[in-house]
Amino acid sequence: AQSVTQPDIHITVSEGASLELRCNYSYGATPYLFWYVQSPGQGLQLLLKYFSGDTLVQGIKGFEAEFKRSQSSFNLRKPSVHWSDAAEYFCAVGARSGGSNYKLTFGKGTLLTVNP
Amino acid sequence: EAGVAQSPRYKIIEKRQSVAFWCNPISGHATLYWYQQILGQGPKLLIQFQNNGVVDDSQLPKDRFSAERLKGVDSTLKIQPAKLEDSAVYLCASSSLTSGGRYEQYFGPGTRLTVT
Repeated sequence: AQSVTQPDIHITVSEGASLELRCNYSYGATPYLFWYVQSPGQGLQLLLKYFSGDTLVQGIKGFEAEFKRSQSSFNLRKPSVHWSDAAEYFCAVGARSGGSNYKLTFGKGTLLTVNP
Repeated sequence: EAGVAQSPRYKIIEKRQSVAFWCNPISGHATLYWYQQILGQGPKLLIQFQNNGVVDDSQLPKDRFSAERLKGVDSTLKIQPAKLEDSAVYLCASSSLTSGGRYEQYFGPGTRLTVT
């Protein structure tokens, strides 16, 4: 069965600093990988996704992530954090759920706090 | 394009009572998902529908939870009777069946359930 580990429960960075959120996955086949962001009281918004091809993927809001098969990792990065980036971030792996359908398995999330 | 709609946004009930949540997916999306997100954890898939058929309900506690999507559009998730441990945010998501869209889920704002 697939699983996702986000080792950091809570990260605090200063505004303007760089950010890296870690994600490790376990899946027997080629993974489909996702990063979602959740602001307080809101649903999840897709930041970026990896299916195949270039291992460095660009997303919305200036985020990027790099897929490293050898390390089973899909870390999220941003060169300069803004106060509005404060939220909870979830990494997820997609796996077949029946027929041509897919389902997501999420990590426990990393809460990002941004100091002014 | 309207997003995924959910109601109510908040619900407080006593244990052993029943409760129902409603979800209307994005128009044209054939696949609908219900997730349970307990505080401090990532979303966990409860049930997945394709049109009005169940694709995956392996993690649905069927002794107390039920869900239906009778006409293949909107869906209702019910809990009867509720337990304290059912306190969580219940998220609905939808995706299309196009070759690329089936991997991308769009989430509603969620229903926050408190069981006292």
